[in-house]
Amino acid sequence: QKEVEQDPGPLSVPEGAIVSLNCTYSNSAFQYFMWYRQYSRKGPELLMYTYSSGNKEDGRFTAQVDKSSKYISLFIRDSQPSDSATYLCAMSAQGAQKLVFGQGTRLTINP
Amino acid sequence: SQTIHQWPATLVQPVGSPLSLECTVEGTSNPNLYWYRQAAGRGLQLLFYSVGIGQISSEVPQNLSASRPQDRQFILSSKKLLLSDSGFYLCAVGTASTDTQYFGPGTRLTVL
Repeated sequence: QKEVEQDPGPLSVPEGAIVSLNCTYSNSAFQYFMWYRQYSRKGPELLMYTYSSGNKEDGRFTAQVDKSSKYISLFIRDSQPSDSATYLCAMSAQGAQKLVFGQGTRLTINP
Repeated sequence: SQTIHQWPATLVQPVGSPLSLECTVEGTSNPNLYWYRQAAGRGLQLLFYSVGIGQISSEVPQNLSASRPQDRQFILSSKKLLLSDSGFYLCAVGTASTDTQYFGPGTRLTVL
């Protein structure tokens, strides 16, 4: 079993839809949770960063962490074609200095 | 904020040839540095990381090596490339305080 599980998709939704992306993990020591967005042939860019449990909102993006269920989510509201990319979740334990990544979910927003 | 440079952007090399990929960082000092490989349609594989000059940790045994000759320079090398070394190579910068990492633009390597 992988330490972090993420459905690779692909996921295709119409423009304007709410998108939900998810990851589950097995290591209860994870405290830092991140979402990266990667456009084709580009390096990943940090989208959201959350420490421990709770929600964090940034514009159309909301990150949720449920440590009791070992489950994290990224919601995209009013999705746009420019949101089409691969989304990777990542997480780490305190002081680990290494991230554990999910496989990434390929998302397409159709105009 | 830091800026990460990687070169070359793309590279086509024959099997058995040597490799040298370079990553340099601006705007930060004493960063943690990372080399990842991403095969087509696959996730990120951590290859090496470094917490200081001359300090290299290897995550995956293979024919690649890494060096950190200066604080903000990280080099990925191979003496003889294999077909399986093809992929997208990413350099990343992290800080011990936040555990976040920031990625460079990447080098796309094709071994023929």
